[in-house]
Amino acid sequence: GAGVSQSPRYKVAKRGQDVALRCDPISGHVSLFWYQQALGQGPEFLTYFQNEAQLDKSGLPSDRFFAERPEGSVSTLKIQRTQQEDSAVYLCASSLELLSSGNTIYFGEGSWLTVV
Amino acid sequence: EDQVTQSPEALRLQEGESSSLNCSYTVSGLRGLFWYRQDPGKGPEFLFTLYSAGEEKEKERLKATLTKKESFLHITAPKPEDSATYLCAVQVSGGSYIPTFGRGTSLIVHP
Repeated sequence: GAGVSQSPRYKVAKRGQDVALRCDPISGHVSLFWYQQALGQGPEFLTYFQNEAQLDKSGLPSDRFFAERPEGSVSTLKIQRTQQEDSAVYLCASSLELLSSGNTIYFGEGSWLTVV
Repeated sequence: EDQVTQSPEALRLQEGESSSLNCSYTVSGLRGLFWYRQDPGKGPEFLFTLYSAGEEKEKERLKATLTKKESFLHITAPKPEDSATYLCAVQVSGGSYIPTFGRGTSLIVHP
């Protein structure tokens, strides 16, 4: 497709369950971001990839969160032992170039995670 | 600590009633300021990038301006389809260039 694609769009997980969220960036895009957006809030940065290298993971809230992009295209965000506070929209975004001044970043529709 | 503040949190307008949204920032070394539109249940949609004070960009009924401390998103004669949350994000030099977002302004335009 032409845009950033995320799946699943909606996920309900029982507390303690592991979840995996997938992101297909725009083809050829070098930079990939994961953001977390709680209801009524702005997106909060989680992690950044340049190709397959995870260059910044300072925003991951705990060691239960793990992200990978093994071949420099598709990325997966994994959350282990989900907690209720993990309920949020997880947004993936990509950019054509290396991260620098003024990159246009394109977002996917998000994966809505509800932990019950 | 770098900070991005958007105001107002929510704004209700009548169709045709022009107004402005504000994004103020306290960062050291702005490298880029972005405006996005987000519809309910959707991801943010890119609108504009501004780089330096005095710069302006326009798209249909929207115009974004930038000063050394804040950016304004002016909406001229809004229509109901302009209803959305408008997000501002800043990129800072000397760091990782990761965009930091504000909390957004929720705009509702009544017909």
